[in-house]
Amino acid sequence: GQNIDQPTEMTATEGAIVQINCTYQTSGFNGLFWYQQHAGEAPTFLSYNVLDGLEEKGRFSSFLSRSKGYSYLLLKELQMKDSASYLCAVRDAGGYNKLIFGAGTRLAVHP
Amino acid sequence: NAGVTQTPKFRILKIGQSMTLQCTQDMNHNYMYWYRQDPGMGLKLIYYSVGAGITDKGEVPNGYNVSRSTTEDFPLRLELAAPSQTSVYFCASSYNQGGVQEKLFFGSGTQLSVL
Repeated sequence: GQNIDQPTEMTATEGAIVQINCTYQTSGFNGLFWYQQHAGEAPTFLSYNVLDGLEEKGRFSSFLSRSKGYSYLLLKELQMKDSASYLCAVRDAGGYNKLIFGAGTRLAVHP
Repeated sequence: NAGVTQTPKFRILKIGQSMTLQCTQDMNHNYMYWYRQDPGMGLKLIYYSVGAGITDKGEVPNGYNVSRSTTEDFPLRLELAAPSQTSVYFCASSYNQGGVQEKLFFGSGTQLSVL
């Protein structure tokens, strides 16, 4: 079957670091995306990993281990505006490379 | 560039009514998608299109229809609205070349309630 697991909710303090984990079991794998979604808004692209290792982009980094079916999103120097849901999505290697989304992790950043 | 534009933003339907959610993109993307997002759930794919004239079912197509007569437009049709179709609907597009799909760009969403 196809399954993507993320924690439902996390809280963190402004200025701190938070790591959001994602584990996946899919029939194929052709890359992993992280999207950010503020309440009432559309998801926006954050990062993409297709090879093992760490991808860094400013305050945000994403890590992938294909052998473990595991990824994490690391947010540094947290700001209040980082309060949002973070969606992990795996691109299947099937016919049209469809994206399978996890339920998302709702992050609340407190002062 | 406007990106992906969806209308309407909100809609309330009575059971059995029909409606069309409009979606247009100006990025010349070949792939377009319709997702629904229920509270606490991930995005579920309803239908997708790989180009004008070509559409196919996603994970949850029942109760919906689509068409893709142009590259820009990908409307979603609900024929007989049911309470189970109460959800937030997102249209998205991406560019796919050589089997490699780039990131999705999403519209702002439609909050639909069926009462």
